[in-house]
Amino acid sequence: NAGVTQTPKFQVLKTGQSMTLQCAQDMNHEYMSWYRQDPGMGLRLIHYSVGAGITDQGEVPNGYNVSRSTTEDFPLRLLSAAPSQTSVYFCASRRTGRNEKLFFGSGTQLSVL
Amino acid sequence: GQQVMQIPQYQHVQEGEDFTTYCNSSTTLSNIQWYKQRPGGHPVFLIQLVKSGEVKKQKRLTFQFGEAKKNSSLHITATQTTDVGTYFCEGWNNDMRFGAGTRLTVKP
Repeated sequence: NAGVTQTPKFQVLKTGQSMTLQCAQDMNHEYMSWYRQDPGMGLRLIHYSVGAGITDQGEVPNGYNVSRSTTEDFPLRLLSAAPSQTSVYFCASRRTGRNEKLFFGSGTQLSVL
Repeated sequence: GQQVMQIPQYQHVQEGEDFTTYCNSSTTLSNIQWYKQRPGGHPVFLIQLVKSGEVKKQKRLTFQFGEAKKNSSLHITATQTTDVGTYFCEGWNNDMRFGAGTRLTVKP
């Protein structure tokens, strides 16, 4: 099993550009989520999904969209990139919504110029 | 909403010294998870605590969950250079929140 696969590892965008961060898991996990990690801020939840066709907002959803058309995939879309979105992004999954450990992808370092 | 406060933000120790990080919640938690993130890496699950007053050990690491289930600690005995990284707690009570993490550096 590959676990949680996240691409790309690095990305540089210009302000206003859009892009999609890909996330896939092969563990048949119901719950998937996206976090951003900024120095001193820990991991902040952007969006999450408790199953195919179901998504919800986390702490910091503005400027990001998600969809969950399959159990395996949970892409994160930046609609119009801003310098404030420069961060490290992690996708994570767990078997269910609670009482389960999170499995993280390897992360995406995003810079918005 | 639920807040999980983690202290200290940074800790620098000499190899062989002990290290402790603390997580405190404003509300009672159903459970708490601890993760370790090596520099340049991603968080990796260490342990889950569920019961009031629970204590679990993993070699030199000791994890505690408070009696009121509002706080938790991770203690490392005799740190080694391999312990370097950031330690996060994640608390659950209707939703899941991470502490800001404690970054541990170890001087050989």
